[in-house]
Amino acid sequence: KQEVTQIPAALSVPEGENLVLNCSFTDSAIYNLQWFRQDPGKGLTSLLLIQSSQREQTSGRLNASLDKSSGRSTLYIAASQPVDSATYLCAVTYLGGNNRLAFGKGNQVVVIP
Amino acid sequence: GAVVSQHPSWVICKSGTSVKIECRSLDFQATTMFWYRQFPKQSLMLMATSNEGSKATYEQGVEKDKFLINHASLTLSTLTVTSAHPEDSSFYICSARVSSGSKRQETQYFGPGTRLLVL
Repeated sequence: KQEVTQIPAALSVPEGENLVLNCSFTDSAIYNLQWFRQDPGKGLTSLLLIQSSQREQTSGRLNASLDKSSGRSTLYIAASQPVDSATYLCAVTYLGGNNRLAFGKGNQVVVIP
Repeated sequence: GAVVSQHPSWVICKSGTSVKIECRSLDFQATTMFWYRQFPKQSLMLMATSNEGSKATYEQGVEKDKFLINHASLTLSTLTVTSAHPEDSSFYICSARVSSGSKRQETQYFGPGTRLLVL
């Protein structure tokens, strides 16, 4: 069974600092890995999707890396802003799971103005 | 981008009643839709996979007679919580999968969620 772990569960950073969010998964046989953003009481917004053959994806201030062999992904958010305050969820689409997503519990981020 | 809507966005009901939640793909056809449940500060847990025109596949521990899923068309799936109890109170999120063929992106687009409170 695929298990996805995100550390830390919660963190606060002052505005302007870079954010580093970690995700690990137990089974390296994956199709892809996605990072989502979830605001309180809201649905999910897809931020970045990394295919299993890729090492990283970038979008604006966001960069996500993937090390499939070690079962790890890191989401970097450069020069954090208060609007970045949200919960960030990592999810993997794993082989043998009929293309289902396995989610982590999320990194709850607060950026302090 | 692909848009998925859910209705209602929130619902309060009495214990014992049934509640229906709709999930629609607005600008694309989705052969597969997924239903998730999320408890506070917890991860999304997959409840069932819904394929158009066929019976849903439920995850282990999810009662199919309690959570009825109907995927009647390529743009609509419904989840009915039957005889709801307070422990069914949760945030229910659906997603619709777009398959991009040879690239196998298998991207899922998520709805905004439905918050259910059972009194």
